[in-house]
Amino acid sequence: GALVYQYPRRTICKSGTSMRMECQAVGFQATSVAWYRQSPQKTFELIALSTVNSAIKYEQNFTQEKFPISHPNLSFSSMTVLNAYLEDRGLYLCGAREQLNTEVFFGKGTRLTVV
Amino acid sequence: GDQVEQSPSALSLHEGTDSALRCNFTTTMRSVQWFRQNSRGSLISLFYLASGTKENGRLKSAFDSKERRYSTLHIRDAQLEDSGTYFCAAANTGNYKYVFGAGTRLKVIA
Repeated sequence: GALVYQYPRRTICKSGTSMRMECQAVGFQATSVAWYRQSPQKTFELIALSTVNSAIKYEQNFTQEKFPISHPNLSFSSMTVLNAYLEDRGLYLCGAREQLNTEVFFGKGTRLTVV
Repeated sequence: GDQVEQSPSALSLHEGTDSALRCNFTTTMRSVQWFRQNSRGSLISLFYLASGTKENGRLKSAFDSKERRYSTLHIRDAQLEDSGTYFCAAANTGNYKYVFGAGTRLKVIA
């Protein structure tokens, strides 16, 4: 079956430092990968949508300078939160799909705590 | 921008009763997916629909195939373990971005 492994599951970083999270797709080709953030008591905000061999599209309020994403092949994607501060805390999820009109498979999330 | 309006925001059900959650879309959507978020934050996929209906046990979901502007999730004979937060997410026809609803916090009580 199709699975997405996301790691780390949780991380704590000091204010002003950076952390990287990764997603590995198994059982299908992750042509398209989307990264989301769920802030406390809120829904999932789309950060950016990455498609292999295309430019990464960031949503309003999210930038490449703050959330650089790598999507080098059809099974792997990573995102870094640079200079993390309190407002960056939350649950980060990656969702991957093979084609744009197929089901999205999500990782279990990376919970970021900033101290 | 794209909007997914999910209702109700919170719901309390007695065991054994039925209810429905709904997501309205402000634009035509290509597909919809329903999830339950567990206590650790992980999303459990319940249904993926490009059209029509799907059923799995006590859960049934429908996606308006004609206008593609809403989807429903029906819960039959609610059980305590159904408690949690449910989300719908829909893919825009044009840009395929997946947009989430605000979620429904469901509590099933004995």
